[in-house]
Amino acid sequence: EDQVTQSPEALRLQEGESSSLNCSYTVSGLRGLFWYRQDPGKGPEFLFTLYSAGEEKEKERLKATLTKKESFLHITAPKPEDSATYLCAVQAGGYSTLTFGKGTMLLVSP
Amino acid sequence: DGGITQSPKYLFRKEGQNVTLSCEQNLNHDAMYWYRQDPGQGLRLIYYSQIVNDFQKGDIAEGYSVSREKKESFPLTVTSAQKNPTAFYLCASQKGNGNTIYFGEGSWLTVV
Repeated sequence: EDQVTQSPEALRLQEGESSSLNCSYTVSGLRGLFWYRQDPGKGPEFLFTLYSAGEEKEKERLKATLTKKESFLHITAPKPEDSATYLCAVQAGGYSTLTFGKGTMLLVSP
Repeated sequence: DGGITQSPKYLFRKEGQNVTLSCEQNLNHDAMYWYRQDPGQGLRLIYYSQIVNDFQKGDIAEGYSVSREKKESFPLTVTSAQKNPTAFYLCASQKGNGNTIYFGEGSWLTVV
């Protein structure tokens, strides 16, 4: 059974204080690992897809990395507008469904 | 504008009533999904469809039904058999396995 565990559950940062969110996964034949951002009451917004170990992708203050067992979402010099819940999900080969973690709620204070 | 449209945004259901949530996409995606989101539980898969006229149960399909008569549409019916339907419902679509999955803005369902 595919499993995704995100840590920490919640993270509070000061503006400009860099940190990382973790996504550990167990999956049979990873087809893709997805990161999403979700604001309260809204649908998840796509951030990155990673396909193989060693891959990295960046977007503004966010950088996602992938190993064979986990993915990190690094947030550099965050701003209050980065406050949101960040979701990680995996999709296995041969299947068409996503398995989600429970998310990390990030709060960035000015 | 391309995307996924869910309606209504807010819906109230009386006890014993069936309600239907709409999901339409104009992205020409083959696969469509319905997820339920409850606080502290993450997203759980209700039903998914990879092709027109075919769909499969997800992890929590009991009390729900779907249809896929058109590629663009994947409505979800919450039946009276669903004992705890109050939740945030999310529809999503995907071109093919491993490609980006896009979500709609969600529908809030409350039992009154």
